[in-house]
Amino acid sequence: KQEVTQIPAALSVPEGENLVLNCSFTDSAIYNLQWFRQDPGKGLTSLLLIQSSQREQTSGRLNASLDKSSGRSTLYIAASQPGDSATYLCAVKGNQFYFGTGTSLTVIP
Amino acid sequence: EPEVTQTPSHQVTQMGQEVILRCVPISNHLYFYWYRQILGQKVEFLVSFYNNEISEKSEIFDDQFSVERPDGSNFTLKIRSTKLEDSAMYFCASRARGGQETQYFGPGTRLLVL
Repeated sequence: KQEVTQIPAALSVPEGENLVLNCSFTDSAIYNLQWFRQDPGKGLTSLLLIQSSQREQTSGRLNASLDKSSGRSTLYIAASQPGDSATYLCAVKGNQFYFGTGTSLTVIP
Repeated sequence: EPEVTQTPSHQVTQMGQEVILRCVPISNHLYFYWYRQILGQKVEFLVSFYNNEISEKSEIFDDQFSVERPDGSNFTLKIRSTKLEDSAMYFCASRARGGQETQYFGPGTRLLVL
């Protein structure tokens, strides 16, 4: 069974810092990997989707990479802002969808 | 911007009762999903639905659960006889047809079974 792990579980950084969130998965037979943010009590907002044949995707200050063979993805956030504070989830699609436990990010003004 | 909506936002029910959670996906989307998130735990996939039938389901989605698209706009999740452990946030999601597989999530229904 696919296991998705995210490290660290929580992260607190001062505003303006660049940061990296990590996601690892045990089964490399995936179709795609998606990064989401989840605000308290709210639904999930899709940030980036990387197909299994791709190595990275970029959107604004966000860059996500995928190394399928090693079962890893990273989400890089440049010049962090207080509005980036949220829980970040990665999810992989194999025969079904598997989510990680999330990284709770706090950006301190 | 189009969005997925869910009703109700909160529901409290007694154990053993049936509940129906409702979702209105984005109008031109063809793939529909239900997920749940028990408080403090991972988001878990329940079921995906396409072309009026279930395309995938997880081991969580047992005979107590069913999904339906009763008309052109609604997508429902029914839990026949709720258990305490069904208490969770239930999320609906939808995506368009084609290569882009980004899913768009609704705000969720918080279900509490007493």
